[in-house]
Amino acid sequence: DSGVTQTPKHLITATGQRVTLRCSPRSGDLSVYWYQQSLDQGLQFLIQYYNGEERAKGNILERFSAQQFPDLHSELNLSSLELGDSALYFCASSVGGDWGEQFFGPGTRLTVL
Amino acid sequence: SQQGEEDPQALSIQEGENATMNCSYKTSINNLQWYRQNSGRGLVHLILIRSNEREKHSGRLRVTLDTSKKSSSLLITASRAADTASYFCATDAGTALIFGKGTTLSVSS
Repeated sequence: DSGVTQTPKHLITATGQRVTLRCSPRSGDLSVYWYQQSLDQGLQFLIQYYNGEERAKGNILERFSAQQFPDLHSELNLSSLELGDSALYFCASSVGGDWGEQFFGPGTRLTVL
Repeated sequence: SQQGEEDPQALSIQEGENATMNCSYKTSINNLQWYRQNSGRGLVHLILIRSNEREKHSGRLRVTLDTSKKSSSLLITASRAADTASYFCATDAGTALIFGKGTTLSVSS
């Protein structure tokens, strides 16, 4: 158990819909990272937040957005969903804002029908 | 992007044998990390090697880094069935952690 929690575990929705994925980092970790894992693209970095502020941006679509709240939990919002958005979404956390060891949550499996 | 590329894509061995997987990358890095993922689950950090280090050990794991060749290798000695998983290298070039596509290791008893 990494100490990172993600909800929900599974999410099934329809094209065009909007969903919110939630992540709670390990106690004491200030950074939260979001990743998308699919069979064709592999594990893709989406976005990083550090102590409430956006720190780095990766291959995140404009339809996707994220935020980190004062209690350090984070939410990833996915809107206007397409079939191709079906994937595993992971949240990871770390103590600092650099790119050292990251602790991954169990993931949210999103299926868009 | 300077994504790491693991080789081989898949590896099947018997319990007790050693498993070696390789990672190549394209640009200068601050560190290189190896992660393990059991089917459909979250990644678990195994080891981090910094750009000024050449070799690192952790239990049955041995990692080498050759920055001149932009490559790294992960050796798992005396493999067990529980080592069956996908293994990913991840490179830090300062702006993100970039993961390769992974090596799927299957250890049979």
